[in-house]
Amino acid sequence: GAGVSQSPSNKVTEKGKDVELRCDPISGHTALYWYRQSLGQGLEFLIYFQGNSAPDKSGLPSDRFSAERTGGSVSTLTIQRTQQEDSAVYLCASSPGTPELFFGEGSRLTVL
Amino acid sequence: KQEVTQIPAALSVPEGENLVLNCSFTDSAIYNLQWFRQDPGKGLTSLLLIQSSQREQTSGRLNASLDKSSGRSTLYIAASQSGDSATYLCVTLKNAGGTSYGKLTFGQGTILTVHP
Repeated sequence: GAGVSQSPSNKVTEKGKDVELRCDPISGHTALYWYRQSLGQGLEFLIYFQGNSAPDKSGLPSDRFSAERTGGSVSTLTIQRTQQEDSAVYLCASSPGTPELFFGEGSRLTVL
Repeated sequence: KQEVTQIPAALSVPEGENLVLNCSFTDSAIYNLQWFRQDPGKGLTSLLLIQSSQREQTSGRLNASLDKSSGRSTLYIAASQSGDSATYLCVTLKNAGGTSYGKLTFGQGTILTVHP
C-alpha cells in the first residue's frame, strides 16, 4: 500500500498475555517511530529506528516492552505480560530521511 | 527537556470564522515544527511542516508561522468548515547527532469543533 500499515487495528487481550503489534512502513523509509496514546493523554514517544538499529529506546516504559526491526522495513512492538495500564493506541510513523513523518492508523490495545 | 504547550485546549466556533491555534515550546533548538490533525479513531495527518530556518508555511486555508526566538508557533485556519473539526497537534523535532532523526515532542492538542 501507499501508506504506513499497522496490524492488528484492534486487539483485546487478557492481563498477563503477550501481544505483538506490527508496523509496515512506507517502502524506502529509513526511519521508523513508535508512539502510544493513552486515554486522555498526549502522544508518548516509545522508540525510533534508523535502519535496523534503535538509537533511542528511552521511551519504552518498562522492560516488558521491546521492539525490533528487520530488513530495514517491518517493525514489531512486543509487550510481555500485559497490564491494564498498557491499554492505549499504539501509533507507528515512518520517514524517508526528511524530517516529515507519516503515521499509520494505529493499533488499539485493550487489556482486560 | 522540551515541553510543548498548546492553547486553547478546546475551541468551538461557527463555520466561516477565522481562527488561530497557539503552540509554545521551551527549547528553541529545534530542527523543525510540524502541525498534525488527528481525527477520532484514525492516525495522524500532517498539515504543515516548518523547518527551523523558515518563518511560515501555507497550504490552502492553513497558514503556520514559527518564531524560534520566542518559542512560538501559530496555526491559522481561514474560513473554517465543519470538516475542520478534529484535534490539532503541534510537534517539535530535535535532531540527534546532526541527522534529521530525533526526538519528537507533542503538545496535548487543541480540540477544534466547527459547528454549522
